[in-house]
Amino acid sequence: DAGVTQSPTHLIKTRGQQVTLRCSPKSGHDTVSWYQQALGQGPQFIFQYYEEEERQRGNFPDRFSGHQFPNYSSELNVNALLLGDSALYLCASSLGQSGNTIYFGEGSWLTVV
Amino acid sequence: GENVEQHPSTLSVQEGDSAVIKCTYSDSASNYFPWYKQELGKGPQLIIDIRSNVGEKKDQRIAVTLNKTAKHFSLHITETQPEDSAVYFCAAEFGNEKLTFGTGTRLTIIP
Repeated sequence: DAGVTQSPTHLIKTRGQQVTLRCSPKSGHDTVSWYQQALGQGPQFIFQYYEEEERQRGNFPDRFSGHQFPNYSSELNVNALLLGDSALYLCASSLGQSGNTIYFGEGSWLTVV
Repeated sequence: GENVEQHPSTLSVQEGDSAVIKCTYSDSASNYFPWYKQELGKGPQLIIDIRSNVGEKKDQRIAVTLNKTAKHFSLHITETQPEDSAVYFCAAEFGNEKLTFGTGTRLTIIP
């Protein structure tokens, strides 16, 4: 049983560019959440997708957007990249109800130069 | 607001000794409290979790305790081994599987 898978693992982008990160949730999970983890800090909640809609959102600007597909996989898009967007982006999957176990992928390392 | 505090930020223990990490949370409505281990360059790995209807949970050398009245929970690792060295994060769920994390504890096991 594959866990949460993310791609790409590493990427480098230039300021002002756009990036798309991808996530496949753990088998049987229908909820995908995205987190940003800056170096030396804990993960920060970006947003969550359930039934192909954004269900809740953290304190991130509209430059951060996402999508969930019918097979529950998800994309995170970041427009107009800033140097401060450099971080590890983590995808988490779960079963869509409060109190369920939440699993994380290995993340996508984004460096903005 | 949604806040989780974690202490200590760094912890060094002799191999074979016990390690304890403590967290407090702000919202009494929180019902789910996972702990994650993160090794360098990797994503957070769930090591144990506890729900509000349970006061203590144990899995081999790892245990978690929860005091809902005081709004704090703790991770206990006994008989520590070198492979336990990592950064540990506590987290609390604030509604529909949205986690707020503590600031992390860097645990170093001294051989």
